[in-house]
Formats: sequence, C-alpha cells, structure tokens
Amino acid sequence: DQQVKQNSPSLSVQEGRISILNCDYTNSMFDYFLWYKKYPAEGPTFLISISSIKDKNEDGRFTVFLNKSAKHLSLHIVPSQPGDSAVYFCAARGYNNNDMRFGAGTRLTVKP
Amino acid sequence: DAGITQSPRYKITETGRQVTLMCHQTWSHSYMFWYRQDLGHGLRLIYYSAAADITDKGEVPDGYVVSRSKTENFPLTLESATRSQTSVYFCASSELRLDTGELFFGEGSRLTVL
Repeated sequence: DQQVKQNSPSLSVQEGRISILNCDYTNSMFDYFLWYKKYPAEGPTFLISISSIKDKNEDGRFTVFLNKSAKHLSLHIVPSQPGDSAVYFCAARGYNNNDMRFGAGTRLTVKP
Repeated sequence: DAGITQSPRYKITETGRQVTLMCHQTWSHSYMFWYRQDLGHGLRLIYYSAAADITDKGEVPDGYVVSRSKTENFPLTLESATRSQTSVYFCASSELRLDTGELFFGEGSRLTVL
C-alpha cells in the first residue's frame, strides 16, 4: 500500500509563474514531511521540510503547506525558473518508524 | 572525499546471477537505506539499517539481502537476479532522529538484468 501519493505525474508551467505540486498521505503517524528534487542521472537532494505541528514553512522561493485534516501537503514555487525543471518527490517520516516513504514523483517542466 | 558513494554506477547482468551493489558513506551517519526507483512507483524502500549489525525490511525486500558490519558500508546483494529487479538503486544515509532527518543520497546504480 502506497502511504504517500503524488497523483500528478507531470506539471508544466511558464517561467515566472507559480508551480504547485501536490501530495497526499494516508498514515496519520507521520511526523515530518519533506520534498526532494531530482535531476536526471543524479540522486535526489533535499529541498524543504515541514513538521506535522506546523502548517506552513517557507524558504526563499519555496513554501510547503500542510493540511493535516485533509492529509494533504503542497509545494509552491514562486517565481518558477527553468532551473527548477526536475522530478519532485514528496516524502514522509513516521513517528515510530525509522524509515522514510516516498511518493511516485512529479516531473516539473518550467518553460522559458 | 566526504559524502556517499555507490558502485558500480552501471551494471548489466543475467538472470540468476548474484550481484552486489556497494554503498559507502563518510559522515558516520547511523542510518543507511536502499531504495529502488521505477517509473510510476517513485522511490521504494528495500532495506534500511539503524546502526551496524541492525537491519530491517522496507516495502519491497524480497529477493534482496543486506548486511552492515561497519557503520560506513551498506552493501545490497541480489542473490539470484531477476528481470523485475532491473531498476535504478539509490543508497542514502541520515541521522534520522536529528531535526528533520533528511536523507543524503548517492548518485545511483543502474542495474539491468537480461
């Protein structure tokens, strides 16, 4: 069973506009949610995270929102840049589990 | 150099052969992980380790064996490779209980089983 879901396999936006990537989860026992970015032929790299006790975390152009009642989080990138084009993975860490589960990823393309 | 390294980066093998993917980290992180990346599935956890000599199964452990005799190394062995194990494998390390516990990934090992 996939506990972390990214239902949009791809997203295309124009440079300068906002990119919104979505993620849903089923397990209420996650305590941290993270977003990773992956370029081709490279390993994923950490982008931003949010604790389950918060509903928003901002870092420069990147903001993550958490809606615990809906078990939903989103990553906003504004303004989007061509260098943001990559696959974005949503991940969640459990309170009691010593592992981290990932979604299937969303490929973001930012057009110049 | 500091970091996490995987070897080999590319491997082609045949069905039934044994294959070992190596992973080495220089941060002395307690936790190490093996994930596989497949289209439509994203990153799926195979095995993880909380410390030397402590390993545990993830989501898709069947057909894989791991060991962790030293903190810095976490090899993944396919004892009898199958075509369904063709994938890109990522090793990661972390101090999971420290702050967000972000994972640091290697560059990946692309395995093709013919």
